[in-house]
Amino acid sequence: NAGVTQTPKFRILKIGQSMTLQCTQDMNHNYMYWYRQDPGMGLKLIYYSVGAGITDKGEVPNGYNVSRSTTEDFPLRLELAAPSQTSVYFCASSYWGKGDTQYFGPGTRLTVL
Amino acid sequence: TQLLEQSPQFLSIQEGENLTVYCNSSSVFSSLQWYRQEPGEGPVLLVTVVTGGEVKKLKRLTFQFGDARKDSSLHITAAQPGDTGLYLCAGDSRNSGAGSYQLTFGKGTKLSVIP
Repeated sequence: NAGVTQTPKFRILKIGQSMTLQCTQDMNHNYMYWYRQDPGMGLKLIYYSVGAGITDKGEVPNGYNVSRSTTEDFPLRLELAAPSQTSVYFCASSYWGKGDTQYFGPGTRLTVL
Repeated sequence: TQLLEQSPQFLSIQEGENLTVYCNSSSVFSSLQWYRQEPGEGPVLLVTVVTGGEVKKLKRLTFQFGDARKDSSLHITAAQPGDTGLYLCAGDSRNSGAGSYQLTFGKGTKLSVIP
């Protein structure tokens, strides 16, 4: 099992550009999550999904969109990138929601200039 | 929003020393998790504590969940350079809007163990 994979590893965007961060898990997990991690600020939940076709907002959803058409994939879309979206983005998955282990991908480091 | 305060924020110690890091909140959590994150990687779960007063040991690491399920501590005995990393606590809370659960993370304790 590869676990949770994310692409790309690094990306630089100009203000106003758009991009999609890819996330795939091969553990047949129901729940998937997107977090952003800023220096000294811990992890903030952007969006999450409890299964294919079902998504919901987390703590900091503005400026992002997600979709979950399959169990395996959970892409994060950035529209009109802004410098405030410079961060490290982590995708995670778990089988259950409550109290279950979350498995994290290696992260995508995004810089918006 | 439920907050988790971690202390200290930074900790630099010599190999062989003992240390304790803390995770505190004014809110009650149904469970609390500790993760370790190494540079350039995602967090990896160390332990989940569920019962108030629970103590779990993982080799040289001892985790305790407070009786009221509002706080937790991580104690490392005889720290080694391999323990270096960012330690994150995360509380399991219900998202009342969607009826599902999500993790609230603390800001982390960055530990450096010097050989």
